[in-house]
Amino acid sequence: DGGITQSPKYLFRKEGQNVTLSCEQNLNHDAMYWYRQDPGQGLRLIYYSQIVNDFQKGDIAEGYSVSREKKESFPLTVTSAQKNPTAFYLCASSISLRGYTEAFFGQGTRLTVV
Amino acid sequence: DQQVKQNSPSLSVQEGRISILNCDYTNSMFDYFLWYKKYPAEGPTFLISISSIKDKNEDGRFTVFLNKSAKHLSLHIVPSQPGDSAVYFCAARVIWGDMRFGAGTRLTVKP
Repeated sequence: DGGITQSPKYLFRKEGQNVTLSCEQNLNHDAMYWYRQDPGQGLRLIYYSQIVNDFQKGDIAEGYSVSREKKESFPLTVTSAQKNPTAFYLCASSISLRGYTEAFFGQGTRLTVV
Repeated sequence: DQQVKQNSPSLSVQEGRISILNCDYTNSMFDYFLWYKKYPAEGPTFLISISSIKDKNEDGRFTVFLNKSAKHLSLHIVPSQPGDSAVYFCAARVIWGDMRFGAGTRLTVKP
């Protein structure tokens, strides 16, 4: 059945290392998003993409990078430049960036820097 | 700049009563508003939405009201059930753009 898959569910990283979070969708959605959630805070937008090979920075893009080589996939790399990477990361997709459409979310990846 | 605000971090109601969750926004260009429900360690799930041309949208026990002049929307849950206990996020978007979320309100429905 259709949905968004994020992997892994839990991820541990040593300080100074880059790590890539996977996000795959089989909903045939054009738009994809990455959000970060910290305790007591809402979802903050990291990056979003409206089409293959195109992506835009969100509010907190510093220390992160993304790629959109395939419609189904939107991986997020947390680089060593991200000062406080420990958080819950959520990937989402929607039919498009335009119009009255809702976004569907994956189950999230909890990243912990050790 | 937080464009979507949920000023109540938590709300507790008795089972069977009405739950009212509130949300304010600052960007007058927003024209589509959504509510999501989230359980711990899971992704948010879409609950209900409303476009700016309406002032009310109803889906079973859930009703969303929009007051554009006040830049305010609310989610009513009637009757509230223990299974409704979760964090509720308000979100808003312009007709062409990304989605902005509030900080969330934790609803607890007591049996």
